[in-house]
Amino acid sequence: EAGVVQSPRYKIIEKKQPVAFWCNPISGHNTLYWYLQNLGQGPELLIRYENEEAVDDSQLPKDRFSAERLKGVDSTLKIQPAELGDSAVYLCASSLDGRRWDNEQFFGPGTRLTVL
Amino acid sequence: AQTVTQSQPEMSVQEAETVTLSCTYDTSESDYYLFWYKQPPSRQMILVIRQEAYKQQNATENRFSVNFQKAAKSFSLKISDSQLGDAAMYFCAYRSTGTASKLTFGTGTRLQVTL
Repeated sequence: EAGVVQSPRYKIIEKKQPVAFWCNPISGHNTLYWYLQNLGQGPELLIRYENEEAVDDSQLPKDRFSAERLKGVDSTLKIQPAELGDSAVYLCASSLDGRRWDNEQFFGPGTRLTVL
Repeated sequence: AQTVTQSQPEMSVQEAETVTLSCTYDTSESDYYLFWYKQPPSRQMILVIRQEAYKQQNATENRFSVNFQKAAKSFSLKISDSQLGDAAMYFCAYRSTGTASKLTFGTGTRLQVTL
């Protein structure tokens, strides 16, 4: 069974440029998460989807970040325009039902973004 | 807000030996859940072990076990018979009860395994 798929794995852009990350969760997983992981830190939740509904986006910087999960399956996270401080790893994770604490979150390999 | 502290940025253990990674957390809640995740270099983060705060019995998964001290708000991970494949970043995480709760991670401990 395929795990969580993310693309691209690496992205280098210049500041003020837009960038988009794509995530395909494990088949059948209703809950999808986007995390930000800065160097030397643990992941921090940006947004969580239950199917196509964003149920927690309180940590998403909405002035420049946006996300969508239109059909409740794959998802895209966008940054426009990117800033130097956005350089980090962006992780996607999924679970069967994120409302249950015992539902394991499965993580993708992440996208490492470098903003020059 | 809950916080998770991992005070050991790096640890080293010899193959076949035992190592303990520390984690403390701060919460005012009485019921919650704790996790240890492993993030190997350039690979996916995976769940190692989890503990429900209302259970006094420490969780065990093969060579991995925890020492959960609720009063001290401590949740350490013990790895027995360490293997080269155990080398990774280890993150402690907290989740409160409630359907909207989220994982709060510590800053991680990098574990090196030497021959």
